[in-house]
Amino acid sequence: SQKIEQNSEALNIQEGKTATLTCNYTNYSPAYLQWYRQDPGRGPVFLLLIRENEKEKRKERLKVTFDTTLKQSLFHITASQPADSATYLCALGHSSASKIIFGSGTRLSIRP
Amino acid sequence: GAGVSQTPSNKVTEKGKYVELRCDPISGHTALYWYRQSLGQGPEFLIYFQGTGAADDSGLPNDRFFAVRPEGSVSTLKIQRTERGDSAVYLCASSLEPTGELFFGEGSRLTVL
Repeated sequence: SQKIEQNSEALNIQEGKTATLTCNYTNYSPAYLQWYRQDPGRGPVFLLLIRENEKEKRKERLKVTFDTTLKQSLFHITASQPADSATYLCALGHSSASKIIFGSGTRLSIRP
Repeated sequence: GAGVSQTPSNKVTEKGKYVELRCDPISGHTALYWYRQSLGQGPEFLIYFQGTGAADDSGLPNDRFFAVRPEGSVSTLKIQRTERGDSAVYLCASSLEPTGELFFGEGSRLTVL
């Protein structure tokens, strides 16, 4: 069955360092991959989308890579700040008429 | 409003009761999704609408769950004979296009006693 795995443990990073989160998937060939941020008690908020024919996407301090051979996406936050502390979710979509499925999320804590 | 609106924000019910959860998507968004999220877990896909029709309902756990979107805008998730295991936050999201970013509501927290 389709499976999406994200860092199971919470990630604790010193402010100013680069945080790297991992999303691995099996039994799936996504056409695109998305990353979301979720704060406690709130709905997820979209951050970035990367398509299967793209290797890398950047937005301000965020960078996402997508390796369809390794079946993996890496999500980087450079110059991390305490305000970046949240749960980050990856989501995969297969085609224009299909569901979007989510991983379990990684909780990121940035300490001052 | 500008965003996705979900009502009620909180619902407490007794085992065996019927529950309806409503989602008002962003105006003009044709795609609408329902997810269920338990504590510490990611959103679990339930159903996806493209317009008025359910394009994919493979995530509905059983026949107690049903969702409609009769005019291609507002959607209602209906749960019959609720069970304690149905307790979760039910999230709705809409999108302008099927592969675009999802805009989520704040969720409806359902507690079944």
